Amino acid sequence: DQQVKQNSPSLSVQEGRISILNCDYTNSMFDYFLWYKKYPAEGPTFLISISSIKDKNEDGRFTVFLNKSAKHLSLHIVPSQPGDSAVYFCAALNTGTASKLTFGTGTRLQVTL
Amino acid sequence: EPEVTQTPSHQVTQMGQEVILRCVPISNHLYFYWYRQILGQKVEFLVSFYNNEISEKSEIFDDQFSVERPDGSNFTLKIRSTKLEDSAMYFCASSETLAVNYEQYFGPGTRLTVT
Repeated sequence: DQQVKQNSPSLSVQEGRISILNCDYTNSMFDYFLWYKKYPAEGPTFLISISSIKDKNEDGRFTVFLNKSAKHLSLHIVPSQPGDSAVYFCAALNTGTASKLTFGTGTRLQVTL
Repeated sequence: EPEVTQTPSHQVTQMGQEVILRCVPISNHLYFYWYRQILGQKVEFLVSFYNNEISEKSEIFDDQFSVERPDGSNFTLKIRSTKLEDSAMYFCASSETLAVNYEQYFGPGTRLTVT
């Protein structure tokens, strides 16, 4: 039951360049989306979120884009920094009926010097 | 900055034993959650808790699991009779409200190893 999918298990980007992490979802009832970053042996850390009434949300170096018709969202990190190296999880929520987050499988981002 | 804390960081137990995982959510938060992540798999929802009762639970959260908020600060997950397949990282999370902001803030996790 993969309602949230992150098809790229890993991504390598040079420092200073843009990192683009992708996420697809199948459940059309999802109307709120979040990105989390996770370092080894730590819990997920909230990064940025977007409501389905928007198509873009920006916070510093992080921007999330939502394409509802394609059921696709992406996280852009620019410029990428070595400290951004972590696993990034996309999560989705149906705000009307449930509070649980449904997570994707994660994408491991490696930012190289 | 307020954060969710969890104890212990690592728990080793024998199959069939009871374990209690403890969490202290962020103080002004009203909604509490448990998730788990089996090694190599995605983070999975177990249960949500609001106003001293379970508001939602997953298929994983069977009769062997229970949650409790025994006082004003702690939130616990109990597994009555652990199985090998319960070995996982268990994350507690909390959120302030379910209106406007739906962000959930996670603790560092408890690694449960069942032998």
